[in-house]
Amino acid sequence: DAKTTQPPSMDCAEGRAANLPCNHSTISGNEYVYWYRQIHSQGPQYIIHGLKNNETNEMASLIITEDRKSSTLILPHATLRDTAVYYCIVRVALGYGGSQGNLIFGKGTKLSVKP
Amino acid sequence: DVKVTQSSRYLVKRTGEKVFLECVQDMDHENMFWYRQDPGLGLRLIYFSYDVKMKEKGDIPEGYSVSREKKERFSLILESASTNQTSMYLCASNSLRGVSHEQFFGPGTRLTVL
Repeated sequence: DAKTTQPPSMDCAEGRAANLPCNHSTISGNEYVYWYRQIHSQGPQYIIHGLKNNETNEMASLIITEDRKSSTLILPHATLRDTAVYYCIVRVALGYGGSQGNLIFGKGTKLSVKP
Repeated sequence: DVKVTQSSRYLVKRTGEKVFLECVQDMDHENMFWYRQDPGLGLRLIYFSYDVKMKEKGDIPEGYSVSREKKERFSLILESASTNQTSMYLCASNSLRGVSHEQFFGPGTRLTVL
């Protein structure tokens, strides 16, 4: 699976958009970009994923560059409860045989939302 | 509401004890995973299972074993606990059905081995 690079930490003001970058320059054509987050003392939580098109759900938007070498997770109106470590993960589409859905977590970005 | 539950949030054991960590999911997922999480190292996969009685080693299986006798339950066993197994243990599950294949995580068990 492709390696990802994220800044170790970021701050964001409450109510403003939080834009979390991720570099994955060695991504392959069949690899998806996943984002998870982990709030202190809880298990990780899935946020969103995409292949090459931009995606949006009730939690966030995912913008993937045209060359797919980087992406940005956008939390449109950050709240204090969005303070967490955010993980960008790149992996192949899942299928039977071999790795059955294993995710390789890096160190992530610690996002601090401040009042 | 989908759920992955773990038997304990906090556990303290002594060196050499046999330790069982239990995980149960109610989503009929085929896949279940055990990770450990340590500061500065992120999450590391210990074992996973893609079916009842099936298991595969992850990145750091040494010192651990697993059991999956029923689809909804995946147990992590420390045969003889050691202090370097003090960690946060996270269980997860997912299914190859659907689109996202997202993993659902339990709340974690913080194990301290004295």
